[in-house]
Amino acid sequence: DIQMTQSPSSLSASVGDRITITCRASQSISTYLNWFQHKPGKAPKVLIYAASTLQTGVPSRFSGSGSGTDFTLTISSLQPEDFATYYCQQSYGTSYTFGQGTKLEIK
Amino acid sequence: EVQLVESGGTLVQPGGSLTLSCEASGFTFSNYEMNWVRQAPGKGLEWVSYISSSGSTIYYEDSLKGRITISRDNAKKSLYLEMNNLRVEDTAVYYCARDNSYFDNSGAGYYMDVWGKGTTVIVSS
Repeated sequence: DIQMTQSPSSLSASVGDRITITCRASQSISTYLNWFQHKPGKAPKVLIYAASTLQTGVPSRFSGSGSGTDFTLTISSLQPEDFATYYCQQSYGTSYTFGQGTKLEIK
Repeated sequence: EVQLVESGGTLVQPGGSLTLSCEASGFTFSNYEMNWVRQAPGKGLEWVSYISSSGSTIYYEDSLKGRITISRDNAKKSLYLEMNNLRVEDTAVYYCARDNSYFDNSGAGYYMDVWGKGTTVIVSS
């Protein structure tokens, strides 16, 4: 199975900061990589699919890049509503896997 | 409105069985692949199972094979997850999620674009 490793596991930042979360796959997954935002008690929300395509309705401050094994999610200017947990997820194989998550907290 | 609503979560004893349901509305259910994803308390998201639009192709997370069965009834616009021999570690919020497809230079890909709000399963004596 393909393993996904995110870093950091947690991140403390301020409103207006630029932050980057990284995700590494245990083997090449081309660009079959999606990013989700998850808030407590809510359904997860897809932000980015195909490594860099912004889902409809998602603010342009979110961006994704990468291919092969290394990927990044960047938030260019944090807003109060962005504090949540973020997950990468691969859709390359016959079984999907998520990264362990990155909890983004307010500094 | 495109919507998924899960039900069936409850308190069950270890070794027990349970079937979760997910009812779809606002889209043509029979055109979409579907998934179950869970989140245990204090843990991250974990993909559980996938079923193709016709039900002919099914995948399971390796550690759950043999204890779970995914199925769907396209006429009823419903997805199901049967779970047997439940363990304490199966305690989680279970989400159903729609797979949407895209095509780019790499070929066909999928992402879970619509999610339900989840149903809670507690396995405890």
